[in-house]
Amino acid sequence: QSALTQPRSVSGPPGQSVTISCTGTTGDVGGYNYVSWFQQHPGKAPKLIIHDVNNRPSGVPDRFSGSKSGNTASLTISGLQAEDEAVYYCCSYAGPYTHVFGGGTKVTVL
Amino acid sequence: EVQLLESGGGLVQPGGSLRLSCAASGFTFSSYAMSWVRQAPGKGLEWVSSISGSTDNTYYADSVKGRFTISRDNSKNMLYLQMNSLRAEDTAIYYCAKVEWLNYFWYWGQGTLVTVSS
Repeated sequence: QSALTQPRSVSGPPGQSVTISCTGTTGDVGGYNYVSWFQQHPGKAPKLIIHDVNNRPSGVPDRFSGSKSGNTASLTISGLQAEDEAVYYCCSYAGPYTHVFGGGTKVTVL
Repeated sequence: EVQLLESGGGLVQPGGSLRLSCAASGFTFSSYAMSWVRQAPGKGLEWVSSISGSTDNTYYADSVKGRFTISRDNSKNMLYLQMNSLRAEDTAIYYCAKVEWLNYFWYWGQGTLVTVSS
């Protein structure tokens, strides 16, 4: 049950695209197409923005997209906006009723 | 509308016990697995425990196995987390979350803060 590996921080000016990686193992990210991503603003509960690798819940802007290759999943934010400044967490299914999160990535809009 | 409302957090001494509750509404509670996820101050999210919808199968992170017990009362739409032998490193906001299709968390509560300190 080791945490998934994410970069501590990424940044970019408004309008630019940024990509956050999330690296796991064949026991989690690589073994299932069940990676989800959460956005968390300070003092708030996490908000689901991607599930099942690349599916957006209703209401989530289409500038958020997900992908996966092998043991690494990625979240891309296209056309950064000020309100996208937050911490982003990946999460993977890791077997029956178990999950593992990444350490979180702080996105800064310059 | 799905709502999850945690309660029961507070200050407890190391070695002590606490029981968290989560009141669920807006969905057929017994049809869904439920989980507890925690977040230590200034730290990331950590999955703690999950319980199946109706068969009461339970699963735990290694960090809490043997000390925490997850349970549910489907007649009351309630989820619980009994926490024993608490340690300073258990200090965190504890969120309950509804598990969708057994693999992702769409709905979260607002969280309840547990502080383990003497």
